Amino acid sequence: DAKTTQPTSMDCAEGRAANLPCNHSTISGNEYVYWYRQIHSQGPQYIIHGLKNNETNEMASLIITEDRKSSTLILPHATLRDTAVYYCIVRAFYNQGGKLIFGQGTELSVKP
Amino acid sequence: GAGVSQSPSNKVTEKGKDVELRCDPISGHTALYWYRQSLGQGLEFLIYFQGNSAPDKSGLPSDRFSAERTGGSVSTLTIQRTQQEDSAVYLCASSLDVSGSHTGELFFGEGSRLTVL
Repeated sequence: DAKTTQPTSMDCAEGRAANLPCNHSTISGNEYVYWYRQIHSQGPQYIIHGLKNNETNEMASLIITEDRKSSTLILPHATLRDTAVYYCIVRAFYNQGGKLIFGQGTELSVKP
Repeated sequence: GAGVSQSPSNKVTEKGKDVELRCDPISGHTALYWYRQSLGQGLEFLIYFQGNSAPDKSGLPSDRFSAERTGGSVSTLTIQRTQQEDSAVYLCASSLDVSGSHTGELFFGEGSRLTVL
């Protein structure tokens, strides 16, 4: 699976949009981009995933560049409860092992 | 329950003792995963089950670590002769399917915190 690069940490003001970038320049054509987050002392939580089209759900939006080498997770109106570590992961459609490989992620701090 | 259930939530043991950690996946989920997270670190993959078989054990750190899954449901992670470096949160996750599933969503439990004194 392709490797991802994320900033170590980011701050965001409460109520503003949080834009979390991820680079995955070695992504393959059959690899999806997944985003998970881990709130302190909890298990990771799925947020969203996509292949090449932009995706939106009740939690967030995922913007994938046309060349698929990078993506941005957008939390449209960040709240204090969105403070967490956010992981960007790429994984093949037919993944032989099924596992997700987590990197270090981005620690997002939402401030009042 | 509706989610992945792990027990015990906390375990304190003495160096050299054996421990067993249990995971109850979401009903109907065929894939089950064990991860480890040491203090301040990222998630480290340990082992993955598809049904009762474990096609990928590549993350088990030593032969003191083993896991089994019975009836395609409950899984037990066993650590023999525990060492202080085994102290971590052990997380279990399950997913509906692997092959052909493009959703790939893993549902995680709250973890079992192991402290080896």
